[in-house]
Amino acid sequence: GQQVMQIPQYQHVQEGEDFTTYCNSSTTLSNIQWYKQRPGGHPVFLIQLVKSGEVKKQKRLTFQFGEAKKNSSLHITATQTTDVGTYFCAGTTGNQFYFGTGTSLTVIP
Amino acid sequence: DADVTQTPRNRITKTGKRIMLECSQTKGHDRMYWYRQDPGLGLRLIYYSFDVKDINKGEISDGYSVSRQAQAKFSLSLESAIPNQTALYFCATSGTGRGETQYFGPGTRLLVL
Repeated sequence: GQQVMQIPQYQHVQEGEDFTTYCNSSTTLSNIQWYKQRPGGHPVFLIQLVKSGEVKKQKRLTFQFGEAKKNSSLHITATQTTDVGTYFCAGTTGNQFYFGTGTSLTVIP
Repeated sequence: DADVTQTPRNRITKTGKRIMLECSQTKGHDRMYWYRQDPGLGLRLIYYSFDVKDINKGEISDGYSVSRQAQAKFSLSLESAIPNQTALYFCATSGTGRGETQYFGPGTRLLVL
């Protein structure tokens, strides 16, 4: 079954509002990666987190890896229409690489 | 990413037909992957290959087979297509370290009637 779940599955926000997607794994992960897929496109790597409790920022995006290395979050401050797309987390456990179920973000101008 | 190409980009076929999806990469990566994407289910791993002589089943390998013809080529076959194999299929490549970034091809949209 699916080992990495994300919530919410869909999120609609007004432009300027904040957005957060959460990623939860049933097992401890070696690392977590985040990808963005624009509508009609393919997943593109955003960032990787490796350390327990790690926090990284990319402009308006903040990524966090949980202390137990079983969960992660992506927070976008003041969303813009260019943020539209589906955000996936992906975790490594052993030799396996599991993608989350994804969160589809719609930004209403 | 233009370094990873997939053919065809779109395909319509009928139940029972054999279909092959092809993937080529110029990134020089040893590792290649096939995923399918379905709404609400994210990306699910079908098969992966860590080098030319290594083939491994992923989460959902039933009904699929693969061939790693060379370091740069990894093809996915549906021996006898069925409607629930209608999906968007992605090929990806990565380097050999743990947790290496995956680079995706543009995807193949497959419709099985």
